[in-house]
Amino acid sequence: SYELTQPSSVSVSPGQTARITCSGDVLAKTYARWFQQKPGQAPILLIYKDIERPSGIPERFSGSSSGTTVTLTISGAQVEDEADYYCYSAADKWVVFGGGTKLTVL
Amino acid sequence: QVQLVQSGAEVKKPGASVKVSCKASGYIFTNYGITWVRQAPGQGLEWMGWINTYNGNTNYAQKFQGRVTMTTDTSTGTAYMELRSLRSDDTAAYFCARDRDDSSGPGGHWGQGTLVTVSS
Repeated sequence: SYELTQPSSVSVSPGQTARITCSGDVLAKTYARWFQQKPGQAPILLIYKDIERPSGIPERFSGSSSGTTVTLTISGAQVEDEADYYCYSAADKWVVFGGGTKLTVL
Repeated sequence: QVQLVQSGAEVKKPGASVKVSCKASGYIFTNYGITWVRQAPGQGLEWMGWINTYNGNTNYAQKFQGRVTMTTDTSTGTAYMELRSLRSDDTAAYFCARDRDDSSGPGGHWGQGTLVTVSS
């Protein structure tokens, strides 16, 4: 089985850059996605194929990959970016979400 | 526009079953698979499984094997997730999500979630 490990929390001030990492052996052989979830809402896809951003997602959200770690970067974090963030990946028949990272912007 | 509309909240007793529906519209139903994800109160997202809406093939998380069944009704464009032998720790919001255009797995279109409460 595969696991994806994220920090439980990240905190930044408005306007700063937030970086959230996701680590796991599976990431060396397959892509990751990033989702944002606010309380009481369904998740929103932010990044797919490690670095691609769907239409409608602000440019301040970007993804990168190196070896067995992918990183979600929020450049110039805004108060409305305060949310939970989850990485996701799949290989063979194994599919997994990371444990989630609570981003605080204040 | 693409929409996934899920059935309403359910309250079940331990040992019972629940069947959650996810009605799709705005696209060709059989062109995209459906993933089911759940989230217990205050917890993270948990992948439950995926169904190929074209041929009905499924891939279930090992944790739910033998207890979950995912099906579709292509005539109405609806996906279903049935979970049996419910326990209190199955209390969660259950989400369906459509595949992306270029690969399987949850993409940008999700249902609103269905809260299932298991309590005696």
